[in-house]
Amino acid sequence: DGGITQSPKYLFRKEGQNVTLSCEQNLNHDAMYWYRQDPGQGLRLIYYSQIVNDFQKGDIAEGYSVSREKKESFPLTVTSAQKNPTAFYLCASSNYQGGLNQPQHFGDGTRLSIL
Amino acid sequence: AQKITQTQPGMFVQEKEAVTLDCTYDTSDPSYGLFWYKQPSSGEMIFLIYQGSYDQQNATEGRYSLNFQKARKSANLVISASQLGDSAMYFCAMREVSQQFYFGTGTSLTVIP
Repeated sequence: DGGITQSPKYLFRKEGQNVTLSCEQNLNHDAMYWYRQDPGQGLRLIYYSQIVNDFQKGDIAEGYSVSREKKESFPLTVTSAQKNPTAFYLCASSNYQGGLNQPQHFGDGTRLSIL
Repeated sequence: AQKITQTQPGMFVQEKEAVTLDCTYDTSDPSYGLFWYKQPSSGEMIFLIYQGSYDQQNATEGRYSLNFQKARKSANLVISASQLGDSAMYFCAMREVSQQFYFGTGTSLTVIP
């Protein structure tokens, strides 16, 4: 079945450590997105990419980095510069060419905590 | 200005009753899409229903319907015959021509037996 796979489901980060969250999709979608969700809050956009080798900052990009070397993959690195990384991270993709009626499809998320 | 506004942080509904979750949006684009998602406590985001800006009729998907009032820029979700499994967070979202998606802050729905 087509879908989005995020791994790991749970991740722990030590102080001063960079960690990378994986996001892979087999939906052949052009656009991919990373969101951060804090408890009881909505989704805030970190980065998005509409095409391979290109990505744009979202509302809260500081302390995060991404790459888009392959259409299927959009990994997110939480760097040591992100001082409050504890949150739920959601990856999404959408069909860029299909029109406005194409929803975003989401992975199951990664819960990141500080040790 | 907020692109998507959900003014109800929490809602309660009796099982088998209908409930309306409010959503207003702000855009100057003539073409846009409106979406509702459900997020259970497990965290995954489930797409429920879509309404296009040019759609003349309100969208329906099973027990979900969208009360679309374009002049008021509102896109309220109506859930009929509520079930215990409907207890979750509900997010309204908008997609503009720029392909950017905007989400509201969500409404927590609790269905009471």
